[in-house]
Amino acid sequence: QLQLQESGPGLVKPSETLSLTCTVSGDSISSSKYYWGWIRQPPGKGLEWIASIYYSGSTYDNPSLKSRVTISVDTSKNQVSLKLSSVTAADTAVYYCARLGSSFYDTSGFFDYWGQGTRVTISS
Amino acid sequence: DIQMTQSPSSVSASVGDRVTITCRASQGISSWLGWYQQKPGEAPKLLIYSASSLQSGVPSRFSGSGSGTDFTLTISSLQPEDFATYYCQQANSFPYTFGQGTKVEIK
Repeated sequence: QLQLQESGPGLVKPSETLSLTCTVSGDSISSSKYYWGWIRQPPGKGLEWIASIYYSGSTYDNPSLKSRVTISVDTSKNQVSLKLSSVTAADTAVYYCARLGSSFYDTSGFFDYWGQGTRVTISS
Repeated sequence: DIQMTQSPSSVSASVGDRVTITCRASQGISSWLGWYQQKPGEAPKLLIYSASSLQSGVPSRFSGSGSGTDFTLTISSLQPEDFATYYCQQANSFPYTFGQGTKVEIK
């Protein structure tokens, strides 16, 4: 059974860099031909797609985040990482890791497995 | 960016009711539309993909329809476990965007 587990600090200071890791179990990032992505949800608000990365390393990110995003994969650890620089209070949210179907699958473009989410607060 | 607008923002319904939620895209997205269910404190769950395809394990009382700019999620007979917030998502082009959500509440 596929499982995704997010991890990282729950509190980050303004202007610093938020770093999160998603550990995938039950599937191999390097061989499954899926995208892996990050989505966030500010308190009481809706969902915002942040970035996605293909197993080969090609990436896509949301221009609204003004190039503050770095997404990467570590196939040896079966992990996907997210870095968000120059954070402000507006970046306070629950951050989800999710599997995104590629063109090889019927669910192409859609997030079919999600982690439980990790809450991140930006505050001094 | 493609804007996704859901209506209504909330709906009150009783167990057994038929519930319909609408999602409109700011430009045509063919059938690149998905629906998610989110319960408080939980991650979203994919219900429908490609506008009308039921995700594995999702009850058949959920159905989706539409193409182009207008889409609908229908719950044919609302069950107690269906009280949640529902989101649409377009997968036509990056950046992927979600609707603002529709909360289905107990009447």
